[in-house]
Amino acid sequence: GAGVSQSPRYKVAKRGQDVALRCDPISGHVSLFWYQQALGQGPEFLTYFQNEAQLDKSGLPSDRFFAERPEGSVSTLKIQRTQQEDSAVYLCASSLLLGAIYNEQFFGPGTRLTVL
Amino acid sequence: GQNIDQPTEMTATEGAIVQINCTYQTSGFNGLFWYQQHAGEAPTFLSYNVLDGLEEKGRFSSFLSRSKGYSYLLLKELQMKDSASYLCGSPQGPGGGNKLTFGTGTQLKVEL
Repeated sequence: GAGVSQSPRYKVAKRGQDVALRCDPISGHVSLFWYQQALGQGPEFLTYFQNEAQLDKSGLPSDRFFAERPEGSVSTLKIQRTQQEDSAVYLCASSLLLGAIYNEQFFGPGTRLTVL
Repeated sequence: GQNIDQPTEMTATEGAIVQINCTYQTSGFNGLFWYQQHAGEAPTFLSYNVLDGLEEKGRFSSFLSRSKGYSYLLLKELQMKDSASYLCGSPQGPGGGNKLTFGTGTQLKVEL
């Protein structure tokens, strides 16, 4: 596709349910990032993949959050036993890998998660 | 660590010029970028500055002063469609995989 796509766009979960959020990056993009954006705030980094390797997961708020990218393309962010504080927009971004040069990150439209 | 500050909201008039400021404190500087985000949409890249000075791109310009830890985004000939959140932020370096640290975003409202 032409850009980063995410699904679902909206997800409502009851507290305690597990959810899975999907990201399809731009074809050929090596790097993939997940961010969490609370209402009225800037996105906050969650985790980063280079191909299938998860190189940084320092931003994941708890062990209820898990991300994978098994074949180095599509990624899934899973949240177990959702809590109300997990309500946010989850953004995925991808970029080419060009060594030490900053790479523009292309963002998807996000998944808005609401936990009741 | 990184600390990025920008005003929460601003209001400007259609056709006018607005300047959105951003100050930062980072342990290692890897440049500064600006993204635009319309409500419910993906952030879209506007500019990236790594050297001091002004870079112009059509109606949008971005300025950086590394010695002052300061940047601004200048929007000229404002249009209603410019109403959006403007995110200032900085990438962490190769060791950080270029993960981005953002400010809270400045919500710009353009009025008639």
